[in-house]
Amino acid sequence: AQSVAQPEDQVNVAEGNPLTVKCTYSVSGNPYLFWYVQYPNRGLQFLLKYITGDNLVKGSYGFEAEFNKSQTSFHLKKPSALVSDSALYFCAVRDRGTSYDKVIFGPGTSLSVIP
Amino acid sequence: GAVVSQHPSWVICKSGTSVKIECRSLDFQATTMFWYRQFPKQSLMLMATSNEGSKATYEQGVEKDKFLINHASLTLSTLTVTSAHPEDSSFYICSAELAGDSYEQYFGPGTRLTVT
Repeated sequence: AQSVAQPEDQVNVAEGNPLTVKCTYSVSGNPYLFWYVQYPNRGLQFLLKYITGDNLVKGSYGFEAEFNKSQTSFHLKKPSALVSDSALYFCAVRDRGTSYDKVIFGPGTSLSVIP
Repeated sequence: GAVVSQHPSWVICKSGTSVKIECRSLDFQATTMFWYRQFPKQSLMLMATSNEGSKATYEQGVEKDKFLINHASLTLSTLTVTSAHPEDSSFYICSAELAGDSYEQYFGPGTRLTVT
């Protein structure tokens, strides 16, 4: 069965510092991996995805993520955090080519960027 | 582009009544739409997958007779919560998937349902 873990409920980082939001996954087939962000009182927004190709994926708002197959991870990173990055971040996985071809979301990580 | 709207954004209803939530893709056609439920400070729980012109596929544990889903066109899916009870109070979110191989989902802003 596919699953997604985000080991940190909360991540705090000072403005201007690099940030990392962790995600690990478990699938039986090939993983398609996504990051979404949810701002207060707004819908989820797509940030980036890994389908195939280069393991380093660049997305919106300066975010990037690296697919690491051996560690089954897809951590979200940004070199310099902004206060406006404070939000709830969800990692998601889709197990394509299996009988359960659905997107499963992780529990979410709340990011707080401190001025 | 890729905007999804939901209506209403919030609704309060009495126990035993039914509530309809609309999900529209405003600037693209969506053959597949998804309905999620989100509890406070929790992740999204997939309720059902809605395909245009066919019956929705419900996840295990989701009552299809209680949560009626209709996907009548490529831009509209509706979720009707029938005979609502207080335990149905939640945040309901829809998403639409772009056609093709993008696998990206675009989410509506959500609907807060409170059943009194």
